[in-house]
Amino acid sequence: DAGITQSPRHKVTETGTPVTLRCHQTENHRYMYWYRQDPGHGLRLIHYSYGVKDTDKGEVSDGYSVSRSKTEDFLLTLESATSSQTSVYFCAITGTSGSNEQFFGPGTRLTVL
Amino acid sequence: SQQGEEDPQALSIQEGENATMNCSYKTSINNLQWYRQNSGRGLVHLILIRSNEREKHSGRLRVTLDTSKKSSSLLITASRAADTASYFCATGLLTGANSKLTFGKGITLSVRP
Repeated sequence: DAGITQSPRHKVTETGTPVTLRCHQTENHRYMYWYRQDPGHGLRLIHYSYGVKDTDKGEVSDGYSVSRSKTEDFLLTLESATSSQTSVYFCAITGTSGSNEQFFGPGTRLTVL
Repeated sequence: SQQGEEDPQALSIQEGENATMNCSYKTSINNLQWYRQNSGRGLVHLILIRSNEREKHSGRLRVTLDTSKKSSSLLITASRAADTASYFCATGLLTGANSKLTFGKGITLSVRP
């Protein structure tokens, strides 16, 4: 497996609370991504980063923010969690722009009550 | 919006048979990739085919790409029970600082022993 870890792996939280998910890589890759996976929707891109402090929105970015202060860490924050954000969240990385295959972390299962 | 759409949504075959999965997409791409996801795990990259390639092989996998029809197929030969998983196609577009993939909703493959 590529050196990608996600923490926590499971979390249960209540509506309205802030939540931060962490993605950590040891590969020194430039690009990092956050996806959510829901039944019937496949994987949808939330935010991605193309370098330290360089981030951009994906197709489902509302209600989420990200930060990348160093190459190895990409944080996803749910500012005020809602039940619609109950999902499995995956982080992924990719290396050079010459080949954009992605390597995925193990996922974080988030339940918002 | 989803770029790739896989077909069929679900496929059940006997061990030893071949499995064919299709993917259609809508806009120009640099490459198309296939990923596998075992239950409860992150996605794993299987194979990448560039827009100027028509066919590629990797072990028991054969992928074809028809850019005129905007479609791709993944063939798994001599399937095994361990091939049971969800399979996703992803279309890649490389523009400037962007290196993103857009995933389809996936195909559930069941291989009966």
